[in-house]
Amino acid sequence: QVTLKESGPGMLQPSKTLSLTCSFSGFSLSTSGMVVSWIRQPSGKSLEWLAAIDWDGDKYYNPSLKSRLTVSKDTSNTQVFLKITSVDIADTATYYCARLITTFDYWGQGVMVTVSS
Amino acid sequence: DIQMTQSPASLSASLGETVTIECLASEDIYSNLAWYQQKPGKSPQLLIYDASSLQDGVPSRFSGSESGTQYSLEINSLQSEDAATYFCQQHHDYPYTFGAGTKLELK
Repeated sequence: QVTLKESGPGMLQPSKTLSLTCSFSGFSLSTSGMVVSWIRQPSGKSLEWLAAIDWDGDKYYNPSLKSRLTVSKDTSNTQVFLKITSVDIADTATYYCARLITTFDYWGQGVMVTVSS
Repeated sequence: DIQMTQSPASLSASLGETVTIECLASEDIYSNLAWYQQKPGKSPQLLIYDASSLQDGVPSRFSGSESGTQYSLEINSLQSEDAATYFCQQHHDYPYTFGAGTKLELK
């Protein structure tokens, strides 16, 4: 059974660095072709793809945010991380991680992040 | 970036009816199009990928089609549980992009 779960700080102040963790089970990120992505969704709005990391450690970023994003994975291939630097109010959203095989077939429940002073 | 123009933004239909939601890609995405259903407070659920392939466990009343760069999601015999927001997404090239969403309301 494939499951993913995001965790994060809930709330943080502008200009800080947001750190998110995606913990997953039911698949291994060391399997050829496997990818885990991060996607976010401001309340009431559409979805925005942020970043991805594949089984080989290759990383992909949304060019609109690339300078602020860092995606990584742990050596056991059961967790993926996302850091977003210099957050502001526009980064307030629900953040999802999802498994990517062809497209996003399994999603986590999401973690809501609020940027506020 | 590939732009996905989704329409309509909202629609209202009755139980048993058939509805169609459309997405227009700004360039050829070679059938690399997915549809998701999202209910309030929940994460998106994959319905269709590769324009017309039904994800395992998804009812057959959902179907996808394409004509050039125009992609459609058809829902037949609407059920109450189909009330949700639907998103299209191109999975042809990074950065993957989504449509703005269509909110389906059941009368």
